[in-house]
Amino acid sequence: GENVEQHPSTLSVQEGDSAVIKCTYSDSASNYFPWYKQELGKRPQLIIDIRSNVGEKKDQRIAVTLNKTAKHFSLHITETQPEDSAVYFCAASIFTLIQGAQKLVFGQGTRLTINP
Amino acid sequence: DTEVTQTPKHLVMGMTNKKSLKCEQHMGHRAMYWYKQKAKKPPELMFVYSYEKLSINESVPSRFSPECPNSSLLNLHLHALQPEDSALYLCASSQVWGLNTGELFFGEGSRLTVL
Repeated sequence: GENVEQHPSTLSVQEGDSAVIKCTYSDSASNYFPWYKQELGKRPQLIIDIRSNVGEKKDQRIAVTLNKTAKHFSLHITETQPEDSAVYFCAASIFTLIQGAQKLVFGQGTRLTINP
Repeated sequence: DTEVTQTPKHLVMGMTNKKSLKCEQHMGHRAMYWYKQKAKKPPELMFVYSYEKLSINESVPSRFSPECPNSSLLNLHLHALQPEDSALYLCASSQVWGLNTGELFFGEGSRLTVL
């Protein structure tokens, strides 16, 4: 089935602390897991992505971990800053038999607020 | 140029109007997408064009009609819309569409209000 669950729906952390957002997916054929950040009134922008042949990927303060067996992946933001406040969407690639290609299914989003 | 440009930014239309949303990219991407986003919700896929050919239609009502005149342009023609169609319409592009689609580049969106 096409389902990506994302938790929590809202998250509030103190500036400088870490934030973790978790997603689970249902399609065992999924092999691409991007994270998008959407600031208020702005476009979604890719912040990090991971493919299924890798368990972890890091880019400065942002990291993503993937557990294919458990079908879940997580976004970790360390040393949070006010500009990290936004809505974060996870996504998973879903293979479409009819078209023989992939499409992205997004999680419901997490509204992250960084308190100064 | 790494941008996807959408026009208009805002559109208000009546239920009997015909209008169009436009999207343009000059990154040489061969896949283009229309997404619909309601407030506080994730983007929902509507259409995928790959090499100017419609590859996915996510059972979108016929009052939405996509068009891909060339590899850089994507239009969404709107006719006889309902108030519940009010949303942010996002265009996106990617290098290709297939088994390894990769990053989606989104435009800023067209905010549509149907009265």
